[in-house]
Amino acid sequence: GNSVTQMEGPVTLSEEAFLTINCTYTATGYPSLFWYVQYPGEGLQLLLKATKADDKGSNKGFEATYRKETTSFHLEKGSVQVSDSAVYFCALHQGAQKLVFGQGTRLTINP
Amino acid sequence: NAGVTQTPKFQVLKTGQSMTLQCAQDMNHEYMSWYRQDPGMGLRLIHYSVGAGITDQGEVPNGYNVSRSTTEDFPLRLLSAAPSQTSVYFCASTKGLAGENEQFFGPGTRLTVL
Repeated sequence: GNSVTQMEGPVTLSEEAFLTINCTYTATGYPSLFWYVQYPGEGLQLLLKATKADDKGSNKGFEATYRKETTSFHLEKGSVQVSDSAVYFCALHQGAQKLVFGQGTRLTINP
Repeated sequence: NAGVTQTPKFQVLKTGQSMTLQCAQDMNHEYMSWYRQDPGMGLRLIHYSVGAGITDQGEVPNGYNVSRSTTEDFPLRLLSAAPSQTSVYFCASTKGLAGENEQFFGPGTRLTVL
């Protein structure tokens, strides 16, 4: 079946460092891909999405490109801030609005 | 708009007790779903509904019941709580059924079963 694999966390970086969180997927067809973010004590909220191959989603300085040839959707940000500390989830859409999530990556940014 | 609301925020149950987790949305979304979040496992779909009167099972439905009598409300019932149901529960809603539509999540209910 469809699945999503994220890099193991936790990830700890210093402010202004470059961030990459890897995400790969297994799916039939052409799923839509998402990154959701969960700030402490809150529910998940959509960070960015891409709906077809080679699309780039972007928001709040984060970017991810839908790479069908490598079945990847890696999240990147050029200069992280303390306020980016959160748990990040990669997900794919699997028909009838079912989202399949990765296990989540906890990111901590130190000042 | 309040978005997606969930009550209670926290709950402690004893094994065998029953309870209902409430979820409501005021965005007139057709699709609603329940997830549980466990450490290292991401979110897993419990049940979902594509409209009033229609529900279906997700990945981990055992031990849970749902109903959808109105567009706004989608309660999750634990019939006989077990320690394995200790988790954080999230309700979500989406407008329409298109795959690229954003899901809106509630703030979650943290449940502990002793």
